[in-house]
Amino acid sequence: GIQVEQSPPDLILQEGANSTLRCNFSDSVNNLQWFHQNPWGQLINLFYIPSGTKQNGRLSATTVATERYSLLYISSSQTTDSGVYFCAVEAGAQKLVFGQGTRLTINP
Amino acid sequence: DTEVTQTPKHLVMGMTNKKSLKCEQHMGHRAMYWYKQKAKKPPELMFVYSYEKLSINESVPSRFSPECPNSSLLNLHLHALQPEDSALYLCASSYNYLDTQYFGPGTRLTVL
Repeated sequence: GIQVEQSPPDLILQEGANSTLRCNFSDSVNNLQWFHQNPWGQLINLFYIPSGTKQNGRLSATTVATERYSLLYISSSQTTDSGVYFCAVEAGAQKLVFGQGTRLTINP
Repeated sequence: DTEVTQTPKHLVMGMTNKKSLKCEQHMGHRAMYWYKQKAKKPPELMFVYSYEKLSINESVPSRFSPECPNSSLLNLHLHALQPEDSALYLCASSYNYLDTQYFGPGTRLTVL
């Protein structure tokens, strides 16, 4: 099956900093979604982005499908951005496969 | 209404108990999902219902039994669980299968 690798596994930043999270995948994908899981366990869908670039406020994402990676950019980080960021992909197996996540901690 | 609700928030049960988890959405979504998430791990798909029919069962043990009474409701019936089944159980929905998924807050299950 498809392999999904996220990096870095952990990231600690000060409030106001910018960050880039990466998701590499081992095969062509039909579907790629980014999620944020807050410290209480709630998963929020950030982007549905199998290819191209999207922006939503301080967050943006780019997927380069031909090179099999996606990037999530967070600008001007806030403490509420803390949590785990998951990339999930679908590559013909008819289900989303989640990466192991990047744990982001934003300190005030 | 862009919300998926789950009840209960927390559940503690013994290995001989029978309990049910409930999930509800009123977004007109036609696909609903159950995921299991262990601590510090990503969510793992258990079941998918599409148009109220079970379309994916990820080889989940029979002590977990899903039910979709109508297009807005999804249940997960639990019976004779093991301590290793303790986890966060997440429900999600999407307009069509594999569209943008919206997650509920989850049920934290502890099996004693």
